Amino acid sequence: GEDVEQSLFLSVREGDSSVINCTYTDSSSTYLYWYKQEPGAGLQLLTYIFSNMDMKQDQRLTVLLNKKDKHLSLRIADTQTGDSAIYFCAERGSGSARQLTFGSGTQLTVLP
Amino acid sequence: DGGITQSPKYLFRKEGQNVTLSCEQNLNHDAMYWYRQDPGQGLRLIYYSQIVNDFQKGDIAEGYSVSREKKESFPLTVTSAQKNPTAFYLCASSSKQGGGGATNEKLFFGSGTQLSVL
Repeated sequence: GEDVEQSLFLSVREGDSSVINCTYTDSSSTYLYWYKQEPGAGLQLLTYIFSNMDMKQDQRLTVLLNKKDKHLSLRIADTQTGDSAIYFCAERGSGSARQLTFGSGTQLTVLP
Repeated sequence: DGGITQSPKYLFRKEGQNVTLSCEQNLNHDAMYWYRQDPGQGLRLIYYSQIVNDFQKGDIAEGYSVSREKKESFPLTVTSAQKNPTAFYLCASSSKQGGGGATNEKLFFGSGTQLSVL
């Protein structure tokens, strides 16, 4: 079946950029998503990218997609302590019956 | 305000007991989902429903049951057959745009229910 992989932990200094990486196996992926989860809460959609794009920017967030290598990244510029959370990558394959496949999440810790 | 509401926030189950987690949405979404989250793991799909009175098993349906009698509601019952029920349970609903080969599905999540075993 489809698989989505992420590293479990990332630490950065406040003000630096964070880059969270994700790889996936499904070559039919159409949309890829980044979700954020704060402690004890549900997931919040941050941004998404369609598979025919290679970059999307939204304020401090930049998503890069390398479809050939099946690699997705989320860059957070000027990382703040409020950005500390778990970040999930998710992909959706083609076909309306397909469900999202989530990665295991990356715990981002922002150090003062 | 539109949103998705889960209750209770915390739930304790005794051995041999069935418990039901509530999920209600007023977003007018057709599709609803239940996920289980364990520490250090991604979300695993338990059940989903794309329309009222219909639901499908996800990847880890054993020991769980659901119903979808109303569009707004998708309760999850954790039965005594689920031997390791301690986890964080997340309900979601989705809006879908497009169709056929390229559907953009944005999930909206509730705030979760932490289930623990006494």
